[in-house]
Amino acid sequence: QVQLQESGPGLVKPSETLSLTCVVSGGSISSYSFYWGWVRQSPGKGLEWIGTILYSGTTSYNPSLKSRVTMSVDTSKNEFSLRLASVTAADTAIYYCARLKRQWVVLDYWGQGAPVTVSP
Amino acid sequence: EIVMTQSPATLSVSPGEGATLSCRASQSLGINLAWYQQKPGQAPSLLIYGAATRATGVPDRFSGSGSGTEFTLTISSLQSEDFAIYYCQQYETWPPSITFGQGTRLDIK
Repeated sequence: QVQLQESGPGLVKPSETLSLTCVVSGGSISSYSFYWGWVRQSPGKGLEWIGTILYSGTTSYNPSLKSRVTMSVDTSKNEFSLRLASVTAADTAIYYCARLKRQWVVLDYWGQGAPVTVSP
Repeated sequence: EIVMTQSPATLSVSPGEGATLSCRASQSLGINLAWYQQKPGQAPSLLIYGAATRATGVPDRFSGSGSGTEFTLTISSLQSEDFAIYYCQQYETWPPSITFGQGTRLDIK
């Protein structure tokens, strides 16, 4: 059973960089069959895709966030990471990491979510 | 950018009855459409992908249909655990890209 666990600071100051890591257990992040990705959900709002990454490091980002997002993968640690620069209060959200079936680009396993608040 | 529109925003249904949720895309998706269920305090859970294929472990009272720009999630004989928010999601396979609908809240009547 694949499990994903997010970790990182729950509070980030405006203009700083949000950094989160997702550790994958129960499966290899180096599988060709899966992407790995991030989705966020602002308080009381819907879901927003942030980006996806393949084990090789190939990335694809949401155009609305692309200028501020960097994703990376560490296959030796079976984890991947998200960095979101120049954050504002609008970036306050629960950040989920997830596994995506590569053939269908759907999120079949999710982490429990990491709440992040942007505040001075 | 593909825009996904779900309707209705809220649907109130009695347990045991059926429910039909709709999702419309701003351009043709083929069958690149998925549905998720989200319960309070939990991450979303994949229900349907490829417009009509149930994910592993999903009860057969959940069914998806449609293609192109119009899609439907049908839940027959609602159980108490089915009252939740449902999101549709379109995907493009390369480069991978995802857009979610705004969600439909399914409430107990």
